[in-house]
Amino acid sequence: DVKVTQSSRYLVKRTGEKVFLECVQDMDHENMFWYRQDPGLGLRLIYFSYDVKMKEKGDIPEGYSVSREKKERFSLILESASTNQTSMYLCASTYKYTEAFFGQGTRLTVV
Amino acid sequence: RKEVEQDPGPFNVPEGATVAFNCTYSNSASQSFFWYRQDCRKEPKLLMSVYSSGNEDGRFTAQLNRASQYISLLIRDSKLSDSATYLCVVMGEGNTGKLIFGQGTTLQVKP
Repeated sequence: DVKVTQSSRYLVKRTGEKVFLECVQDMDHENMFWYRQDPGLGLRLIYFSYDVKMKEKGDIPEGYSVSREKKERFSLILESASTNQTSMYLCASTYKYTEAFFGQGTRLTVV
Repeated sequence: RKEVEQDPGPFNVPEGATVAFNCTYSNSASQSFFWYRQDCRKEPKLLMSVYSSGNEDGRFTAQLNRASQYISLLIRDSKLSDSATYLCVVMGEGNTGKLIFGQGTTLQVKP
């Protein structure tokens, strides 16, 4: 079974902190994605990566950056957390054009 | 115009009803299409892939119309356990396998 693991289920951070969300997949997938999900807005793509060290902006990249130094790991970085970044963050991975597998999600609260 | 559009609902139906969800997408170069199911506070999980020839899995039937850029999901004989949010997913802008989600359609099946 494909496994996508996010480092935390719940996080509480203070405004202005630098926040790292980690995602690891164990199936050698090329593509990895970070989404945030908010009520009434669905899943919005923040960044995705189609290879090591490659990244593309999604629909809402402002306030975020990413890092993919190894194929299995894709990190989302909030450079200076703000309260409007309180959300559910979901990581996914895919092999080419096949189905996506998701991590369990990280519910981030910024206070 | 959003890249992937769904009627958010909610759809409230009695057990045993047949219900249909529709989804339109804007990028004619899209390569792959899926329906995902998401339960409250859980990550999305693949329900079924969608093929041009149409495909069926038990009570669920998915259809793709590339000419009209339209995807559908039909659920027959609805069960209480079908209550969830159904997400239309489109993949494949260029060669990067970018994944775009509709905002989801909420289904509530009542006794």
